[in-house]
Amino acid sequence: DVKVTQSSRYLVKRTGEKVFLECVQDMDHENMFWYRQDPGLGLRLIYFSYDVKMKEKGDIPEGYSVSREKKERFSLILESASTNQTSMYLCAAAILNTGELFFGEGSRLTVL
Amino acid sequence: SQKIEQNSEALNIQEGKTATLTCNYTNYSPAYLQWYRQDPGRGPVFLLLIRENEKEKRKERLKVTFDTTLKQSLFHITASQPADSATYLCALQGAADKLIFGTGTRLQVFP
Repeated sequence: DVKVTQSSRYLVKRTGEKVFLECVQDMDHENMFWYRQDPGLGLRLIYFSYDVKMKEKGDIPEGYSVSREKKERFSLILESASTNQTSMYLCAAAILNTGELFFGEGSRLTVL
Repeated sequence: SQKIEQNSEALNIQEGKTATLTCNYTNYSPAYLQWYRQDPGRGPVFLLLIRENEKEKRKERLKVTFDTTLKQSLFHITASQPADSATYLCALQGAADKLIFGTGTRLQVFP
């Protein structure tokens, strides 16, 4: 089975801080994704990447950036955290043909 | 506008019965649709994928149907158990092959 590991399960940050969320997958998948999940809104796609150094905006990229320097690692960056970025962040990797996603355990971020 | 709708109200059923969850969509023409299970505080876990040319797919106690005319997928769990209690998400192929998720339906199976 694919393993997707997110670096932190819980983080508490202050408004204006820079936040890094790290994600590593162990199966050499090209496709990686960052979602945020909020009650009543479901999973919303922030950014995704189909290969090293490539990135594409999802549906809600504002306030976020990403980095993919190595195939197995996809990082989400909040340049200046705000309270409305308090959320559960989920990283996923995909098997190319089927689109089936393997998710990490999630990182619950609270911005005070 | 494009929408994926799952019943936001929790579904409560008795152990041993069949649970049926619904996923309706509008203004999409997905080549496939997926179902995931999510436990509280955890990431979703893939369960089943069904393609547009498949009417039905089964995996152990799970069954999924896909009606592209009605724009609906039904997800069934037969002989349900308390361990099946979770939130179930449907997801379909959107533009540029992005996966679009519904908000999920919480299933509670009581003994």
